Amino acid sequence: GAVVSQHPSRVICKSGTSVKIECRSLDFQATTMFWYRQFPKQSLMLMATSNEGSKATYEQGVEKDKFLINHASLTLSTLTVTSAHPEDSSFYICSASLSRSSGNTIYFGEGSWLTVV
Amino acid sequence: GDSVTQMEGPVTLSEEAFLTINCTYTATGYPSLFWYVQYPGEGLQLLLKATKADDKGSNKGFEATYRKETTSFHLEKGSVQVSDSAVYFCALSDRGYGNKLVFGAGTILRVKS
Repeated sequence: GAVVSQHPSRVICKSGTSVKIECRSLDFQATTMFWYRQFPKQSLMLMATSNEGSKATYEQGVEKDKFLINHASLTLSTLTVTSAHPEDSSFYICSASLSRSSGNTIYFGEGSWLTVV
Repeated sequence: GDSVTQMEGPVTLSEEAFLTINCTYTATGYPSLFWYVQYPGEGLQLLLKATKADDKGSNKGFEATYRKETTSFHLEKGSVQVSDSAVYFCALSDRGYGNKLVFGAGTILRVKS
């Protein structure tokens, strides 16, 4: 079946540095990918919709200059957390949409734990 | 805006016990409803879905019925196994499957042998 791979699964970075998380669709092309974050004991919240070859669409309240999303190819979207702070520590997870004649199917990555110290 | 509320966990059950995880939603339109499962160390997987009122989604012994009158989509399984231990997420999509999802907070299920 379709697989979405996220990397790294865990990352620790120092406050003020930037960190990049990759989301790859391994065996299909995904024109649309989604980025979510989840705080402990809270819902997964959609951060942005990433479309290949165009700018990402950010949800209200998400800082586009802080969470840079790039979808340069049909199999790769990246999320860069710039100038990270401890409050950015969270679980980030991506999903990719596979379009078929029967409709779209969403596949999720394994998620990435970010800890900012 | 749209929202999903799930019962808090963790839920701890003995093997072969009956499982119910409650899920209610608020939506302006007529959403599609989903249950996702996340096993340790893995990504989210679609467990089942229902796209209209009174639809019943089922998979791997799990069932959930789309109840418009009570805005609910409770997950049930008659006899849980240790291998069902995971985190379960209820979610909705207001624009059909394949578009963005609104998730509940997730419920941890632990099944003891």
